[in-house]
Amino acid sequence: AQKVTQAQTEISVVEKEDVTLDCVYETRDTTYYLFWYKQPPSGELVFLIRRNSFDEQNEISGRYSWNFQKSTSSFNFTITASQVVDSAVYFCALSDPENTGNQFYFGTGTSLTVIP
Amino acid sequence: DAGITQSPRHKVTETGTPVTLRCHQTENHRYMYWYRQDPGHGLRLIHYSYGVKDTDKGEVSDGYSVSRSKTEDFLLTLESATSSQTSVYFCAISIGTVDNSPLHFGNGTRLTVT
Repeated sequence: AQKVTQAQTEISVVEKEDVTLDCVYETRDTTYYLFWYKQPPSGELVFLIRRNSFDEQNEISGRYSWNFQKSTSSFNFTITASQVVDSAVYFCALSDPENTGNQFYFGTGTSLTVIP
Repeated sequence: DAGITQSPRHKVTETGTPVTLRCHQTENHRYMYWYRQDPGHGLRLIHYSYGVKDTDKGEVSDGYSVSRSKTEDFLLTLESATSSQTSVYFCAISIGTVDNSPLHFGNGTRLTVT
């Protein structure tokens, strides 16, 4: 079974709109870690955030915010007032050390296009 | 900058030839990984290493082998390249003092098998 599901393959928004990228994960561990990465058109993979399973507080960093809900096994990412520079592929990832050691599992990514 | 260098950055090779990709880190971090990225599949783990000569398979390890004889180098070898191994390959390291610290990636190697 897929451990990380990003059901949205592609999303297009007009600049200044808000957009939410969905991530649903699956694990039997009680201790696990969730991550978001950004891959701009230049191709590099950039780490955005790490969250452990015991910290359900939502986090905000500038225009970015993350909503972690254990009840629905989701870790969604919202970009407020999107900008063209936000155009990228975004990956959600899971690490569940009790089950698989130090492996990281990635979703298939969501390609975000922000139209000026 | 996590100090990760992948070489080569681009390679074209013929089916059946052996290929070795190199990942070099400057920080002596324990964990190193090889992923491949393909459209519709995201990033999939090929092999990873948790120390010198300590390696383990990921979800798509068939057709690949790895070696780590020094902390700083992690080599990925395609023993006999096939067209299905055409992909972008990323090396990653796990930095920080706590396991499951975030991965930091190299810039990738684009491999084309003709």
